[in-house]
Amino acid sequence: DAKTTQPPSMDCAEGRAANLPCNHSTISGNEYVYWYRQIHSQGPQYIIHGLKNNETNEMASLIITEDRKSSTLILPHATLRDTAVYYCIVRDPPQRGKLTFGQGTILTVHP
Amino acid sequence: NAGVMQNPRHLVRRRGQEARLRCSPMKGHSHVYWYRQLPEEGLKFMVYLQKENIIDESGMPKERFSAEFPKEGPSILRIQQVVRGDSAAYFCASSPTGTGLTDTQYFGPGTRLTVL
Repeated sequence: DAKTTQPPSMDCAEGRAANLPCNHSTISGNEYVYWYRQIHSQGPQYIIHGLKNNETNEMASLIITEDRKSSTLILPHATLRDTAVYYCIVRDPPQRGKLTFGQGTILTVHP
Repeated sequence: NAGVMQNPRHLVRRRGQEARLRCSPMKGHSHVYWYRQLPEEGLKFMVYLQKENIIDESGMPKERFSAEFPKEGPSILRIQQVVRGDSAAYFCASSPTGTGLTDTQYFGPGTRLTVL
């Protein structure tokens, strides 16, 4: 599996953009970057995924660098309900089906 | 549009008893995955199943644990002769096909197993 590195924790003020970085320098050409989050022991929630182009949906935006060695998840207007652990996962094709979760980033949104 | 359903949400067992955890995938999904989250630890993959087939069980403990996904009905994760170390949250996820690089897994709310 391509390894990902995320900061253990981050803070963000409510209403501001939250920018969560992820390093995946060993990513291979056909591996996708996925983001999930887990809010207080609930089931992980899918957020977004991408290969090389930037992606946006109703929850977030995903910015992937041109060399694909890192990416940033952007929550444009963070709310208190966005407080969660955010996981960046690189999908390993030979082991498709299996998601390998790291320690993630604990994002705390403050009032 | 119901999501992935798991039951029971909470399960208490005494050491030596059996635990059965059920997972109903999202409508139209034929692939199921089980993950375990031990207290204060990350999520770990256990097993990946398709209808009537186990595709990948590389994360399953060698003894006491089994999983099935029959042609009809929910997927079942079965833990025999539970021990205190089995206390954890067990999450099920489902996906439509499981064969594409972009296939996305959607998770259920989990079953919290407590072994006394």
